[in-house]
Amino acid sequence: QKEVEQNSGPLSVPEGAIASLNCTYSDRGSQSFFWYRQYSGKSPELIMSIYSNGDKEDGRFTAQLNKASQYVSLLIRDSQPSDSATYLCAASGAGSYQLTFGKGTKLSVIP
Amino acid sequence: GAGVSQTPSNKVTEKGKYVELRCDPISGHTALYWYRQSLGQGPEFLIYFQGTGAADDSGLPNDRFFAVRPEGSVSTLKIQRTERGDSAVYLCASSLSGATDTQYFGPGTRLTVL
Repeated sequence: QKEVEQNSGPLSVPEGAIASLNCTYSDRGSQSFFWYRQYSGKSPELIMSIYSNGDKEDGRFTAQLNKASQYVSLLIRDSQPSDSATYLCAASGAGSYQLTFGKGTKLSVIP
Repeated sequence: GAGVSQTPSNKVTEKGKYVELRCDPISGHTALYWYRQSLGQGPEFLIYFQGTGAADDSGLPNDRFFAVRPEGSVSTLKIQRTERGDSAVYLCASSLSGATDTQYFGPGTRLTVL
């Protein structure tokens, strides 16, 4: 069974700090990885996607992928209170459309 | 442009009743997905449509659940003989074609079965 594991948190960081969110996946055939942000009572919103080993940066966000270790991470630099949300890690297989999500990590950025 | 829309936003029903949940994808998106999210969990895949056909319905939990997309746009998720365990937020997503395309989620329908 394909699984995506995340620490449920909550993860608390002070405003301006770096938040580090981690995710592991069980299916070695997974090819595509996504980080979604979900505010309470709202739907998931894609913030980053990553497909190859290494780092991918977009503004204050950096996604990191290590397929050998089956590990994905998301770094949020200069964290803001508006970043407080649940972050969902998702994976899909080669040519697959079906996303497997983790349970999400709740992030709180303290002003 | 308009995003994915879902109706109703909330649905309360009694155990044993039949419900229909509607999803209107982003215009031009051929791929449509249904997910179910229970409290404290990530979304769980239910079914995927490419055009009018259900390309993968492996996530449907049992034969009480059925979904259609007759004209390749709007989709309806149908649940027969609802049970309390069906209570969850039902999320619809669409993407341009499929595979690695970004899935854009709608606001969801919160289903409560009493």
